[in-house]
Amino acid sequence: DAGITQSPRHKVTETGTPVTLRCHQTENHRYMYWYRQDPGHGLRLIHYSYGVKDTDKGEVSDGYSVSRSKTEDFLLTLESATSSQTSVYFCAISESNPILAGEGNEQFFGPGTRLTVL
Amino acid sequence: GQSLEQPSEVTAVEGAIVQINCTYQTSGFYGLSWYQQHDGGAPTFLSYNALDGLEETGRFSSFLSRSDSYGYLLLQELQMKDSASYFCAVREHSGYSTLTFGKGTMLLVSP
Repeated sequence: DAGITQSPRHKVTETGTPVTLRCHQTENHRYMYWYRQDPGHGLRLIHYSYGVKDTDKGEVSDGYSVSRSKTEDFLLTLESATSSQTSVYFCAISESNPILAGEGNEQFFGPGTRLTVL
Repeated sequence: GQSLEQPSEVTAVEGAIVQINCTYQTSGFYGLSWYQQHDGGAPTFLSYNALDGLEETGRFSSFLSRSDSYGYLLLQELQMKDSASYFCAVREHSGYSTLTFGKGTMLLVSP
């Protein structure tokens, strides 16, 4: 299994508070992603990173920011949490070398963080 | 816009064969992937098709028809452990690119 950890694994917070979720990898993969998963919506991309300090927005980026100061860490921040951000958040990584990644650019997912905003 | 359509739920019995379909409408298309997710777990990669035809990996096969914007995942000799959600995902561009996921199909395998 790819070495990906997420912290915290569970968090309950109140509306209006800032929240930071951490994704840590030991695979030295170049690409990292943050998704949210909600019933009926599947996996939706929030932000992704294609290198240290290189990030871009995904499909549902409003209300979220990210930072990547080191290859191994990708942080997702909710500046002011809202109840609509209650979700399960998954981090994923993928290899940059197309030979190693395979044509499908296989993504490896972390165990997820369950966030509840009251 | 982008859309991937797959059935929300499929049921089958142990030992049977089941097919999960996926139709897509995206701005670009480079390949179709399938991921499996057990309840409470992380998604895991199953297969990828960039060219038309069937790709086989053990009990699982995946098919793609680019002209029909359609693919499917075929699961044979179903086992109880195959009960999970299955997601199709489109890679829209060559080189590095992100994936767009469908909403998932929950497969329930009964004895």
